[in-house]
Amino acid sequence: SAVISQKPSRDICQRGTSLTIQCQVDSQVTMMFWYRQQPGQSLTLIATANQGSEATYESGFVIDKFPISRPNLTFSTLTVSNMSPEDSSIYLCSAIQSPYEQYFGPGTRLTVT
Amino acid sequence: AQKVTQAQTEISVVEKEDVTLDCVYETRDTTYYLFWYKQPPSGELVFLIRRNSFDEQNEISGRYSWNFQKSTSSFNFTITASQVVDSAVYFCALSEAQSGYSTLTFGKGTMLLVSP
Repeated sequence: SAVISQKPSRDICQRGTSLTIQCQVDSQVTMMFWYRQQPGQSLTLIATANQGSEATYESGFVIDKFPISRPNLTFSTLTVSNMSPEDSSIYLCSAIQSPYEQYFGPGTRLTVT
Repeated sequence: AQKVTQAQTEISVVEKEDVTLDCVYETRDTTYYLFWYKQPPSGELVFLIRRNSFDEQNEISGRYSWNFQKSTSSFNFTITASQVVDSAVYFCALSEAQSGYSTLTFGKGTMLLVSP
């Protein structure tokens, strides 16, 4: 299975600032995703990170708030912009390996004060 | 409409008890995949199993077993002789043909607490 790492593992940020989370996969993968897990909740898909094109966002998530980059087949970043306390969550990236098994990074715990 | 339902919010058992976590799903696709993930307190999501909709055979892996029944749209997970290290939140998830089997829809999760 793919090994996925994320940086940072956790951060405490001030309201109004932005944080960029990095996701690195140890092998080339076709599809990468970003999920949000609010405290005590399940996982919600934010967007699919497409290599070489704009990310595909799910309903309720917009590019201005969560810009995503995917410069190659092993790396992606998610930025949480203009943060508010409601953005406090665990952010997880994931990647699909054949056949259709999706593996997750360790997550980034974000607290916004 | 919720596509994956985990009706049990929290289950508490004593070590060595058997425990079953329920998962009921809803889909219009004839081909789909079902998954179970474990999320220990550290937060990472650990892949446990993937099941194809055409494969209704039950699966056993050590103390873990899964019962897939298409007739009731259920994919239940049993831990035999539970251990303290099994304490975690367990998520059931579904991926469908209409999404190219790429996006996962998660249930709300079941928190399992195993006490010594």
